[in-house]
Amino acid sequence: GENVEQHPSTLSVQEGDSAVIKCTYSDSASNYFPWYKQELGKRPQLIIDIRSNVGEKKDQRIAVTLNKTAKHFSLHITETQPEDSAVYFCAALTIPTFGRGTSLIVHP
Amino acid sequence: GAVVSQHPSRVICKSGTSVKIECRSLDFQATTMFWYRQFPKKSLMLMATSNEGSKATYEQGVEKDKFLINHASLTLSTLTVTSAHPEDSSFYICSASEDRASYNEQFFGPGTRLTVL
Repeated sequence: GENVEQHPSTLSVQEGDSAVIKCTYSDSASNYFPWYKQELGKRPQLIIDIRSNVGEKKDQRIAVTLNKTAKHFSLHITETQPEDSAVYFCAALTIPTFGRGTSLIVHP
Repeated sequence: GAVVSQHPSRVICKSGTSVKIECRSLDFQATTMFWYRQFPKKSLMLMATSNEGSKATYEQGVEKDKFLINHASLTLSTLTVTSAHPEDSSFYICSASEDRASYNEQFFGPGTRLTVL
């Protein structure tokens, strides 16, 4: 089955800095890669996704890059703000398989 | 659009009892629903995938007789935890997808916190 590795498990940055979270996957059949943000006690919220036919996608301060050959994809958050603090999960689908999550802490 | 609800949001039950959790897609038809379990500060672990009108597909290590899943309609899936024990205490989250074939975007329910005494 699919195996998704996510790094780092915790990321602490200063407000205004960039944050990068990386995931690798094992199943070359995976074709959809969403990123979720989960605040404490809340449901995961989709923040950005990318499909296998695209290498990069950007939405304001958030971007995702995908390297299908190397089987890795990354989430980039620029100009971080305290409200970006949350746990971020990557996933690789065909069968939903989530990374372990990254706790992002943005210090004001 | 794309709202998924879950009921109940919290449930406390005695050991040995059964608990049913409902997952509903409110404004779309969910051909596929997923059930996850999440431990504190941990990732979501997929338990099973259910397609409307079909038997659920369980992930390895998940007891199908323990966690009964029914997806009888395009808007409702239920998870029944049978003979619950304290180790079943967890946060259970469902998600729903409109696309059966390629597992497109999933919309998550708010989750159900189960505590078994």
